[in-house]
Amino acid sequence: DAKTTQPPSMDCAEGRAANLPCNHSTISGNEYVYWYRQIHSQGPQYIIHGLKNNETNEMASLIITEDRKSSTLILPHATLRDTAVYYCIVRVGHTGANSKLTFGKGITLSVRP
Amino acid sequence: GAVVSQHPSWVICKSGTSVKIECRSLDFQATTMFWYRQFPKQSLMLMATSNEGSKATYEQGVEKDKFLINHASLTLSTLTVTSAHPEDSSFYICSARDLDISGGYTFGSGTRLTVV
Repeated sequence: DAKTTQPPSMDCAEGRAANLPCNHSTISGNEYVYWYRQIHSQGPQYIIHGLKNNETNEMASLIITEDRKSSTLILPHATLRDTAVYYCIVRVGHTGANSKLTFGKGITLSVRP
Repeated sequence: GAVVSQHPSWVICKSGTSVKIECRSLDFQATTMFWYRQFPKQSLMLMATSNEGSKATYEQGVEKDKFLINHASLTLSTLTVTSAHPEDSSFYICSARDLDISGGYTFGSGTRLTVV
């Protein structure tokens, strides 16, 4: 699986958009970008994933650059409950034979009142 | 949606004893489950992949005789920490693979193990 690079931390004001960057310059053509988050002392929670098109769901939007070497997770209106560690993971689709999900260091998002 | 129940949520045990952690998929069948360990302020580290009806596959550096994994049914995997020592104190998290859900993986809420 391709390696990802994320800043260690960032913060944003409550109610504002949080834009979390991720670099994955070695991504392969069949690899997806997945985002999970982990609130303190809980198990990770799936947020969104995509291959090359931008994706949006009820939690967030995922913007993938045209060359697919980087992406941005957007939380449109951050709340205090969005304070968590966010993990950007690049891997082949979860239906593939290689089913392991490995985590990097992630980015700690702190939402301030 | 897919739910994974992990029990207990926290446990304190004496050094030298064994502790069993359960991971259940409540509304789906999970042929594959995963066990992670997380130390404070660190990321999740995959310990092993558990496949129903077969032996678990352990990651490099994880002692299979110390961390016993059993996946006897499609809805239950257990992790037993044998002869626990204080350095085994950690946050243990299980995950189940479900191809029918977005993202493909659902995680338990974790078990905080403290060995005294």
